[in-house]
Amino acid sequence: STELTQPPSVSVSPGQTARIICSGEALSKQYTYWYQQKAGQAPVLVIYKDTERPSGIPDRFSGSSSGTTVTLLITGVQAEDEADYYCQSADSRGTYRGVFGGGTRLTV
Amino acid sequence: EVQLLESGGGVVQPGGSLRLSCAASGFTFRNYALTWVRQAPGKGLEWVSAISDTGVNTYYADSVKGRFTISRDNSKNTLYLLIDSLTAEDSAVFYCAKDMTPYTNYGYGGYDVWGRGTRVTVSS
Repeated sequence: STELTQPPSVSVSPGQTARIICSGEALSKQYTYWYQQKAGQAPVLVIYKDTERPSGIPDRFSGSSSGTTVTLLITGVQAEDEADYYCQSADSRGTYRGVFGGGTRLTV
Repeated sequence: EVQLLESGGGVVQPGGSLRLSCAASGFTFRNYALTWVRQAPGKGLEWVSAISDTGVNTYYADSVKGRFTISRDNSKNTLYLLIDSLTAEDSAVFYCAKDMTPYTNYGYGGYDVWGRGTRVTVSS
């Protein structure tokens, strides 16, 4: 889907900060959710409602929102954070359907 | 433990049909909307279909509307996806996912529990 746009890849060294941006018209009106997917595994929710972190998710994961852009921030990146990250929100046409961004491969 | 377990995938010929199932446990199934998400080989996540907690409201991606049918049996704690008129482009791992907020009428709310997925391969 082209409704939510993410960079295909981000690369950081261990200990650095990774910023993964997601942009889309719907994001100014709807919450965004972020998922981490490691190779061969199901996605895992890491941020919900733009900025909230589920229990069990390390506090190095955080989210922010500004207008039509949301950002997943991973501070002090660890090797285990290497994964694909997807943003997700609602269809901008108000159809009550979901939509995912294209995904960002984080390389550590 | 909250769990979702998909089944029903397999190899099917173009034009064929399959019924996928997702068995739930560890939570009050009837209180949550559920969603199917698919992932083609080497590709990203694609939102496919969702159903409200009561089953009254259903939603479909444009790419599957008219070919896929989502349903649920709250007495059996099971979600279904009937997929018809399959093409090679439908080959994917299909995941079921639970909405994180109870009593919602919609399908985009964020998914806090996912199954491991079931693979559908469309090939002659």
